[in-house]
Amino acid sequence: AQSVTQPDIHITVSEGASLELRCNYSYGATPYLFWYVQSPGQGLQLLLKYFSGDTLVQGIKGFEAEFKRSQSSFNLRKPSVHWSDAAEYFCAVVAPQAGNNRKLIWGLGTSLAVNP
Amino acid sequence: DSGVTQTPKHLITATGQRVTLRCSPRSGDLSVYWYQQSLDQGLQFLIHYYNGEERAKGNILERFSAQQFPDLHSELNLSSLELGDSALYFCASSVGRQTTDTQYFGPGTRLTVL
Repeated sequence: AQSVTQPDIHITVSEGASLELRCNYSYGATPYLFWYVQSPGQGLQLLLKYFSGDTLVQGIKGFEAEFKRSQSSFNLRKPSVHWSDAAEYFCAVVAPQAGNNRKLIWGLGTSLAVNP
Repeated sequence: DSGVTQTPKHLITATGQRVTLRCSPRSGDLSVYWYQQSLDQGLQFLIHYYNGEERAKGNILERFSAQQFPDLHSELNLSSLELGDSALYFCASSVGRQTTDTQYFGPGTRLTVL
């Protein structure tokens, strides 16, 4: 079945450490790929997205993500984590199909905790 | 602040009841999306409206319905509520009709069914 997987339910890092959140998808062709962040008690905010072209995508808040076709992955990274990055992170995809009835399909999320 | 507003913020009701959730999109956005976020199923797409017309449908139950009005605000109606309908309901808006357009999310309505 077509799906998006975030293997890590919860990750804890120290402030200032680097971060990588994993996302894998299962589609015959490359879907449209997104990362969203949900801060406690708030709605979701788009960090970055990938449709085509350069496989390293820069986003807001110092985040970047790399698309790797061979691994069907779109991992999110940040070189130095700040305490304010503690949040829930969601990978989402839109299937590469034409026509209507397209929808965002979401991973189950990775909860990030940041130690001072 | 995304510019998307949702009311009410919290809603507590009983099984069998009917509720209406309201969403006002960002100024200029023509698309409204509804999502349900629950602990057991995560984020699920419910329905997408563009300029008053239904454009895509997801895992929306028959007990649920939605519409987008001429002023572009949207309402999600949930009826015959069950305990399992307790969840956070988000709406999002975007400027165009494509699902791949950047979606801006509201703060959500937390529904508790007792």
